Amino acid sequence: SQELEQSPQSLIVQEGKNLTINCTSSKTLYGLYWYKQKYGEGLIFLMMLQKGGEEKSHEKITAKLDEKKQQSSLHITASQPSHAGIYLCGADIPGSGNTGKLIFGQGTTLQVKP
Amino acid sequence: KAGVTQTPRYLIKTRGQQVTLSCSPISGHRSVSWYQQTPGQGLQFLFEYFSETQRNKGNFPGRFSGRQFSNSRSEMNVSTLELGDSALYLCASRGGGRTDTQYFGPGTRLTVL
Repeated sequence: SQELEQSPQSLIVQEGKNLTINCTSSKTLYGLYWYKQKYGEGLIFLMMLQKGGEEKSHEKITAKLDEKKQQSSLHITASQPSHAGIYLCGADIPGSGNTGKLIFGQGTTLQVKP
Repeated sequence: KAGVTQTPRYLIKTRGQQVTLSCSPISGHRSVSWYQQTPGQGLQFLFEYFSETQRNKGNFPGRFSGRQFSNSRSEMNVSTLELGDSALYLCASRGGGRTDTQYFGPGTRLTVL
């Protein structure tokens, strides 16, 4: 079965520093989603990537999907306390048809020190 | 557009009871998926409904069931609650296309005592 591995599991950075979170799949990805979650709350959609080599940016967050479509990275530039939270990558399951079944990585907890 | 809403936000039940959670999708969205999130297992897919039909189901016991109404609102039911059912239950809605983005609600925190 397909699995998503996120690294690191947790991260503490000083405000203003850059950081990268990785998401690696055991199989080819057919739609990779990045979400952010505040503890105990719902997931906030950040970005979706589908094509190998694709890169998307929103404000200070950039997400990339590698050419082989097995690894994605999320990069935050000049981190701020508002970036703190849990970052989750999710992926469509090949062969699950036109359904909403996603698998998720275990999450990366980010703390930003002022 | 209003986002995905879930009620109630918090719930405390005792073992053996049953519980019903509700989810209202974004207007126009026909697909509703349910997920369970626990510290040990992370986010796990429960099931997905589209046009009142269950299209996919995760690996959960039959005590977990759901349904969807003609207005796309969905309910999830858990019978004979166990301590291990304590979790954050999230629903997500999307338009219905294969690559449509899933938008999540705030979740229902269920505590089983």
